[in-house]
Amino acid sequence: DARVTQTPRHKVTEMGQEVTMRCQPILGHNTVFWYRQTMMQGLELLAYFRNRAPLDDSGMPKDRFSAEMPDATLATLKIQPSEPRDSAVYFCASGLVQIYFGPGTRLTVT
Amino acid sequence: TQLLEQSPQFLSIQEGENLTVYCNSSSVFSSLQWYRQEPGEGPVLLVTVVTGGEVKKLKRLTFQFGDARKDSSLHITAAQPGDTGLYLCACRMDSSYKLIFGSGTRLLVRP
Repeated sequence: DARVTQTPRHKVTEMGQEVTMRCQPILGHNTVFWYRQTMMQGLELLAYFRNRAPLDDSGMPKDRFSAEMPDATLATLKIQPSEPRDSAVYFCASGLVQIYFGPGTRLTVT
Repeated sequence: TQLLEQSPQFLSIQEGENLTVYCNSSSVFSSLQWYRQEPGEGPVLLVTVVTGGEVKKLKRLTFQFGDARKDSSLHITAAQPGDTGLYLCACRMDSSYKLIFGSGTRLLVRP
């Protein structure tokens, strides 16, 4: 049963620290998304890739966030430096036509 | 302003009741999707509607796409506690792969 995996599942860090979230998309999926979910803003699209190329990262704060796909099996989302307002659940999703979400990384920045 | 407005935001009902939730926009979409999200998990796709006026059924769930392809509804018959969750509608903009989500309806079905 193929699934999107995300690590870590939970992360607590102090303001100013670097945070790296990792995602392994389902093998063969050529589109990968990063979303952020909060109670206030709901599910927001941060960035997405097709065939490992970034197509749109307009939803990401450029000064502190970066998203990459070093290879087809790994997508990363980095925050440096992290701030309390970055606290949220970060989801990775992959797909061809239908997209499948990972379980998310719950980030708490104190 | 959200591209997709969902209503109601919260709904608490008794097991066995019927309910309808709505997803509205001023924009026309090529397709619209409904997802359900349970606590601690990512959203899971329930259905995709493509044609204006289309109706799709998934057991006790009935999905309808508006004739003008600007709105959609999800009707649940005889709700069960297992239907509890966050229901999200989502659309693709233009011909891009970008999937935008609505604000969600949080449903609680009490036994």
